Amino acid sequence: KQEVTQIPAALSVPEGENLVLNCSFTDSAIYNLQWFRQDPGKGLTSLLLIQSSQREQTSGRLNASLDKSSGRSTLYIAASQPGDSATYLCAVYSGNTPLVFGKGTRLSVIA
Amino acid sequence: EAGVAQSPRYKIIEKRQSVAFWCNPISGHATLYWYQQILGQGPKLLIQFQNNGVVDDSQLPKDRFSAERLKGVDSTLKIQPAKLEDSAVYLCASKTSGREQYFGPGTRLTVT
Repeated sequence: KQEVTQIPAALSVPEGENLVLNCSFTDSAIYNLQWFRQDPGKGLTSLLLIQSSQREQTSGRLNASLDKSSGRSTLYIAASQPGDSATYLCAVYSGNTPLVFGKGTRLSVIA
Repeated sequence: EAGVAQSPRYKIIEKRQSVAFWCNPISGHATLYWYQQILGQGPKLLIQFQNNGVVDDSQLPKDRFSAERLKGVDSTLKIQPAKLEDSAVYLCASKTSGREQYFGPGTRLTVT
């Protein structure tokens, strides 16, 4: 059974700092991995999707990497801003099973 | 392109009452999902539809939860009777073949 773990559970950083969020999964047989952002009281916004054949994806100040063999992914946020404050969720898709989510990392960027 | 729509956004009911949530997916998206997200947890899939057929409902508590997707477009999720532990955010998502899932804003349910 696939399990997804995200570390840390919460993170507080000063504005402008670069930061890394971690995601690990137990079964490396995945089709893709997705990073989402969730603002309080809102739904999920997809940030980046990495196919199993890819090593990384970039969008603006965000860079996500995937090491399928070791069951790890990282989300790198450059030059953090207060508007980046949210919960970040990692989810893996293995084909004929549901999308499996981690519990998320709650990020606070302090001005 | 309009996103996934859900209503209501918030609902407060007493235990043992019934409640229904509505979802309108992105136009043309054949696959529709309902997730339950308990505070502090990641979303958990309740049911997946492909057009108007059920693909996966293995985690749906069928003694109290039901869902339908008439004509392969809109979907409703019902809880009857509700329990305290059903308090959560209910998220609807849709996707088209081979693409990522798009989520609606969710319905926050509080059972008192």
